[in-house]
Amino acid sequence: AQTVTQSQPEMSVQEAETVTLSCTYDTSESDYYLFWYKQPPSRQMILVIRQEAYKQQNATENRFSVNFQKAAKSFSLKISDSQLGDAAMYFCAYRSAKSGNTPLVFGKGTRLSVIA
Amino acid sequence: DGGITQSPKYLFRKEGQNVTLSCEQNLNHDAMYWYRQDPGQGLRLIYYSQIVNDFQKGDIAEGYSVSREKKESFPLTVTSAQKNPTAFYLCATSIYRGHSPLHFGNGTRLTVT
Repeated sequence: AQTVTQSQPEMSVQEAETVTLSCTYDTSESDYYLFWYKQPPSRQMILVIRQEAYKQQNATENRFSVNFQKAAKSFSLKISDSQLGDAAMYFCAYRSAKSGNTPLVFGKGTRLSVIA
Repeated sequence: DGGITQSPKYLFRKEGQNVTLSCEQNLNHDAMYWYRQDPGQGLRLIYYSQIVNDFQKGDIAEGYSVSREKKESFPLTVTSAQKNPTAFYLCATSIYRGHSPLHFGNGTRLTVT
């Protein structure tokens, strides 16, 4: 079974600075998808960014980018120009590509604080 | 307005009672999922359904039951056999494409005393 590990339970960053959240995963599959979700205090789960394993290019969404290292099974999230609204729980997730609707496997999350 | 509705937002029950959490979607998504969230545990899969009248157990299915009689609805029953039912429950949906993300409802906070 696949597992996702987020080794940083909590992190903090100064407003306008850059922070990187770590995520590693364990799988024997070669084709899969990776996701980062944000959960603010409202507890609504919000998709931040996604990456297809077959794509070598790292995904980018505005201030959010990933560093996808397939051989190392690493999928870190970089937040640039951090804003107060970025404060939230961040979850890394893995999805097998075996079929279209397999569930996501989530890490335990990293709580990010943004300091004004 | 398309979306996923979980109701109620807060639910209180006495120990020993079964309780059903509602999840309704009008996104026309094929698959639906139930996750449980506890502090420091991330999201853990309870049950999921890829098509109507079919569902599979997740990692922590013991003490829970589901049904999928309609595409739009995937209710979760927390039975008295669930030893620690107090938690935040999230329902999610997805279309049939692997790279597509899960879409989540707003969740139900269940407290059992």
